[in-house]
Amino acid sequence: DVVMTQSPLSLPVTLGQPASISCWSSQSLVYTDGNTYLNWFQQRPGQSPRRLIYKVSNRDSGVPDRFSGSGSGTDFTLKISRVEAEDVGVYFCMQGTHWPYTFGQGTKLEIK
Amino acid sequence: QVQLQQWGAGLLKPSETLSLTCAVYGGSFSGYYWNWIRQSPGKGLEWIGEINHSGSANYNPSLKSRATITVDTSLNQFSLKLRSVTAADTAVYYCQGSAWSFAFDYWGRGTLVTVSS
Repeated sequence: DVVMTQSPLSLPVTLGQPASISCWSSQSLVYTDGNTYLNWFQQRPGQSPRRLIYKVSNRDSGVPDRFSGSGSGTDFTLKISRVEAEDVGVYFCMQGTHWPYTFGQGTKLEIK
Repeated sequence: QVQLQQWGAGLLKPSETLSLTCAVYGGSFSGYYWNWIRQSPGKGLEWIGEINHSGSANYNPSLKSRATITVDTSLNQFSLKLRSVTAADTAVYYCQGSAWSFAFDYWGRGTLVTVSS
């Protein structure tokens, strides 16, 4: 299985400041169709996960533009330009290129 | 607005069969993938399997062929059965609808399934 590794696992951030989460995969996530199926999910306390980003850098409907994704191959990043209180939760990267799909272990974002 | 409503038994004994169903409201059933994902403290998020509207399914090999996902397009529902459960199958189980190339991502509220004798 493809191993997804995230860093950091804990991310204390001051309101209004930027935040960045890294994700590495044990294999390239470029699929045979040329697309890279790397997703980012947010899970707020007590809620189901919610996808923020698909195919590395595309925001899902309703996702604020302060969230952005970048990267290629095996190295990916989720950035929040200015953290707001509602961003508290756990963030997961997930690859949808190789079966079985796999998730990172999660990064817990908290407000300082 | 698409909504997913899931239900099923929350307490099982070892060796029993887990059975969960997810109904999709407010949207088309075709053109998307319908997935089961579980979350436990020890193993994090784990992909169980996926199915499309035509009934073609894929399963995580880690489940050793214990899982079966089926779809009923007439009811806009899909279901998960997991046979011979053990304590290691204790988790919150989520149903999800997704598309990997465009914006479509909807989740059920999750069902806590506990396996205990």
